[in-house]
Amino acid sequence: DAKTTQPTSMDCAEGRAANLPCNHSTISGNEYVYWYRQIHSQGPQYIIHGLKNNETNEMASLIITEDRKSSTLILPHATLRDTAVYYCIVRGYNTDKLIFGTGTRLQVFP
Amino acid sequence: GAVVSQHPSWVICKSGTSVKIECRSLDFQATTMFWYRQFPKQSLMLMATSNEGSKATYEQGVEKDKFLINHASLTLSTLTVTSAHPEDSSFYICSATSSYEQYFGPGTRLTVT
Repeated sequence: DAKTTQPTSMDCAEGRAANLPCNHSTISGNEYVYWYRQIHSQGPQYIIHGLKNNETNEMASLIITEDRKSSTLILPHATLRDTAVYYCIVRGYNTDKLIFGTGTRLQVFP
Repeated sequence: GAVVSQHPSWVICKSGTSVKIECRSLDFQATTMFWYRQFPKQSLMLMATSNEGSKATYEQGVEKDKFLINHASLTLSTLTVTSAHPEDSSFYICSATSSYEQYFGPGTRLTVT
């Protein structure tokens, strides 16, 4: 599976959009981009995933560049409860395995 | 969404004893479950893939004789940490797959004294 690179940490003001970048320059054509988050001392929570088109759900939006080498997770109106570690993961189409990188620690402040 | 539970949520045991952790998919059947370990301030590390009715597949560097995994039914997988030592103290998390999506349990914090 392709490796991902994310900033170690980010801050965001409550109510503002949080934009979390992820680099996956070695991604291959049949690999998906998944985003999970982990609130302290809990199991990871699924957020969103995509292949090449932008995706949106009730939690977030996922913007994937045309060359698929990077993506951005957008939390449109961050709240204090969005403070967590966010993991960007590239997953092969024929496997259920998820290999977690170091993630981005997002701190939402009042 | 699909719910995965773990039991116990935390456990303290003495060095040399064995501890069993259960992972259950509550409202769906999971042919595949995964076990992860997470040390403080670190990311999740995949330990093994557990398939119902067959032997688990362990990741490189994970001792299969120390971390025994049993996936006896489509809703239950267990991880037994045998002859636990203080360095086995960690946060153990399971996940289960349904329709290609992976759902995580809340984790079990193991402390070995």
